[in-house]
Amino acid sequence: EAGVAQSPRYKIIEKRQSVAFWCNPISGHATLYWYQQILGQGPKLLIQFQNNGVVDDSQLPKDRFSAERLKGVDSTLKIQPAKLEDSAVYLCASSLDMGSYGYTFGSGTRLTVV
Amino acid sequence: AQTVTQSQPEMSVQEAETVTLSCTYDTSESDYYLFWYKQPPSRQMILVIRQEAYKQQNATENRFSVNFQKAAKSFSLKISDSQLGDAAMYFCAYRSPSTGANSKLTFGKGITLSVRP
Repeated sequence: EAGVAQSPRYKIIEKRQSVAFWCNPISGHATLYWYQQILGQGPKLLIQFQNNGVVDDSQLPKDRFSAERLKGVDSTLKIQPAKLEDSAVYLCASSLDMGSYGYTFGSGTRLTVV
Repeated sequence: AQTVTQSQPEMSVQEAETVTLSCTYDTSESDYYLFWYKQPPSRQMILVIRQEAYKQQNATENRFSVNFQKAAKSFSLKISDSQLGDAAMYFCAYRSPSTGANSKLTFGKGITLSVRP
């Protein structure tokens, strides 16, 4: 089966600019996750979708971050305006059953804010 | 809230030798899931092994096995016959048995494993 697709792979922007990341989960996976991984740390959940509804966005900085999952398939994560501390790898993952058997991750987008 | 602790930032092992990576966690739940993920330089997180807390038998996947000590809240990963391709960051993760907002994976900080030829 095809894996979780993410794009772009790398992105460099200046602070206060906006940026968007795209994720296409594995076909049939109802649950989709966006994680932020700062260098030297473990991934931290930003938002979790079940189909096209939000299950958990408690750690999403809503003043600058937004995410959507239209039609319960693809998802986009946006940052506007970006700050230096947003420099990180943004990982998308999906699962069949809310993750009791683990998630399948994409290769992530490395964001550098200068 | 559950926490996952990986106190060793780095470890090194000689090729063909065995290495054990440590992980502890804190939870008040009696049933849950534990995972080890591998993250090579390609950045893609790869599931290595999974353990269900209600199962006393330690999980094994080829050269990878765990030592699950439920009372001690310890979940270590043993890699036997280490290979150069095992070099990566390894993350321990916890998942509540709940559905909904409490079903997320919570990760530790990770450990960098290097393999010496």
